Amino acid sequence: QQQVKQSPQSLIVQKGGISIINCAYENTAFDYFPWYQQFPGKGPALLIAIRPDVSEKKEGRFTISFNKSAKQFSLHIMDSQPGDSATYFCAASKGLTGGGNKLTFGTGTQLKVEL
Amino acid sequence: EAGVTQSPTHLIKTRGQQATLRCSPISGHTSVYWYQQALGLGLQFLLWYDEGEERNRGNFPPRFSGRQFPNYSSELNVNALELEDSALYLCASSPAPGQGGFEAFFGQGTRLTVV
Repeated sequence: QQQVKQSPQSLIVQKGGISIINCAYENTAFDYFPWYQQFPGKGPALLIAIRPDVSEKKEGRFTISFNKSAKQFSLHIMDSQPGDSATYFCAASKGLTGGGNKLTFGTGTQLKVEL
Repeated sequence: EAGVTQSPTHLIKTRGQQATLRCSPISGHTSVYWYQQALGLGLQFLLWYDEGEERNRGNFPPRFSGRQFPNYSSELNVNALELEDSALYLCASSPAPGQGGFEAFFGQGTRLTVV
């Protein structure tokens, strides 16, 4: 049972453009939604995270939008750069309820930013 | 401050053998999580240890096991290796549940190849 669905599977964006990756979850008990960035041969790196009591969070060029009623959240990368080319994973956990941070991941989006 | 460190970086084993993978968490973190990242299958939760105890287990057979030591480092053991166990095994650490700052940070992974 896939509890976090991620789309698109791959994405090509021109330099300076906006990259948008979407995720939808099923388990309403999830209360913590991070995004990870992974480069080939490396472990995932925490990029930005949001809690369900907030509809949007921005850190630099990265913004998470969260829609609790639709059970959806998305990552927006503004002014996309070639260095942003990586695989992005959304995830969800029940971290806030003290149940640890066991993460359920989406299937990943391979982003390529072209010059 | 050192991040999560995993060893070895690469491991080649023969089918039927046992593999042992090691993880040292970030200083001050008591929770260690293990994930499997197999090609085409995304990141799958394996095990969660906290304060030396197994707290949660993913949908993996019993030949995947582990332990956490008093210094919070952890070991993942995979017995009776099968070809499909070939994957990148990732370790993540986070502070103790309920201690705040529950973000999970990943190591670089151990690439296990079963031949």
